[in-house]
Amino acid sequence: EAGVAQSPRYKIIEKRQSVAFWCNPISGHATLYWYQQILGQGPKLLIQFQNNGVVDDSQLPKDRFSAERLKGVDSTLKIQPAKLEDSAVYLCASMRGDTEAFFGQGTRLTVV
Amino acid sequence: AQSVTQLGSHVSVSEGALVLLRCNYSSSVPPYLFWYVQYPNQGLQLLLKYTTGATLVKGINGFEAEFKKSETSFHLTKPSAHMSDAAEYFCAVSGGSNYKLTFGKGTLLTVNP
Repeated sequence: EAGVAQSPRYKIIEKRQSVAFWCNPISGHATLYWYQQILGQGPKLLIQFQNNGVVDDSQLPKDRFSAERLKGVDSTLKIQPAKLEDSAVYLCASMRGDTEAFFGQGTRLTVV
Repeated sequence: AQSVTQLGSHVSVSEGALVLLRCNYSSSVPPYLFWYVQYPNQGLQLLLKYTTGATLVKGINGFEAEFKKSETSFHLTKPSAHMSDAAEYFCAVSGGSNYKLTFGKGTLLTVNP
């Protein structure tokens, strides 16, 4: 089966600009996660969806970050406006049931 | 609430030596535990997982881990390190009906020839 697809792989933007990341999970996976991984750190959960509903967004900086999962399939994460500290790899993962999460290759964001 | 503590941000071993990466967790419900590996510029790949049943679990590439409830630990081991094992390793915990997955800060494994 196809894996979790993310795009773009790399993105460079200036601070205060906006950016969007896209994730297409594995077919049939109800749970979708977005993680932020800053260089040298572990992944930090930003938001978790169950189908098209939000399960946990307690660590999402809602003044600048937003995410949606329309129709419970693919998802978009947006940052507006970006700050220097948003430079990180953004990982998307999906899971069916309560087994294991499968990760995409991530989007590396550099804010200059 | 749940959390993961990985002891040692960097572990260095010689090729052929034992690999031991430490992980302790905290969970208010019976945990599911995972070890993931991340190679440079790649996503995370599952090495092994514990859900229920046998507490010693075997994974890919010769890795194994043992769930010890009394010690709240899930340490990762491999008897003989290969150069190809050099990567970053993350321990993670999940528990409860919401499937929230929480990661530790990671351990960078270096394998010396």
